[in-house]
Amino acid sequence: AIQMTQSPSSLSASVGDRVTITCRASQGIRDDLGWFQQKPGKAPKLLIYAASSLQSGVPSRFSGSGSGTDFTLTISSLQPEDFATYYCLQHYNYPWTFGQGTKVEIK
Amino acid sequence: EVQLVQSGAEVKKPGESLKISCKGSGYSFTNDWIGWVRQMPGKGLEWMGIIYAGDSDTRYSPSFQGQVTISADKSISTAYLQWSSLKASDSAMYYCARLSNGVCFDHWGQGTLVTVSS
Repeated sequence: AIQMTQSPSSLSASVGDRVTITCRASQGIRDDLGWFQQKPGKAPKLLIYAASSLQSGVPSRFSGSGSGTDFTLTISSLQPEDFATYYCLQHYNYPWTFGQGTKVEIK
Repeated sequence: EVQLVQSGAEVKKPGESLKISCKGSGYSFTNDWIGWVRQMPGKGLEWMGIIYAGDSDTRYSPSFQGQVTISADKSISTAYLQWSSLKASDSAMYYCARLSNGVCFDHWGQGTLVTVSS
């Protein structure tokens, strides 16, 4: 199975900060990667699909990049509603695998 | 509007069977895949498996193969996740989500909390 190594596992940031989260795949996965946001007690929400495409309705401060094995989710200017846990998911081949998650907390 | 509506919370005893559901609406159910994701208390997301609603082609994670059964009834636009003999370690939140036109998990159900306790 493809391993998705997500880093950092947690971070503290302030409103307005630029935040970067990375996912590294144990083998190439083209751009078959999505990024999800999960708030406590809620279902995950798709932010980015195909590594860099912004899902409809998601604010433009979220962006994704990468292809092959290295991927990045960037929040250009962190907002209060962005404090949550973020996950990557590869769907290149079965079994699909999630990263371990990154918890973004208020500094 | 695309919606995935899951069945309600369940409290079961070890050894009991269970089938939870995920009903799709607002789109062509038979054209898309429905996946299942487990989240144990305080933990991350785990991909369990996925089913193509049109012909019930199903793929499982090795971690869940043989432990659960994923099925679908396209006549009522509903996917299922079932256990034949629950264990305490099956206690978790379970989510269904849609894969459509190559966009992975663009819509999610609200989750079904399963509690297994003697």
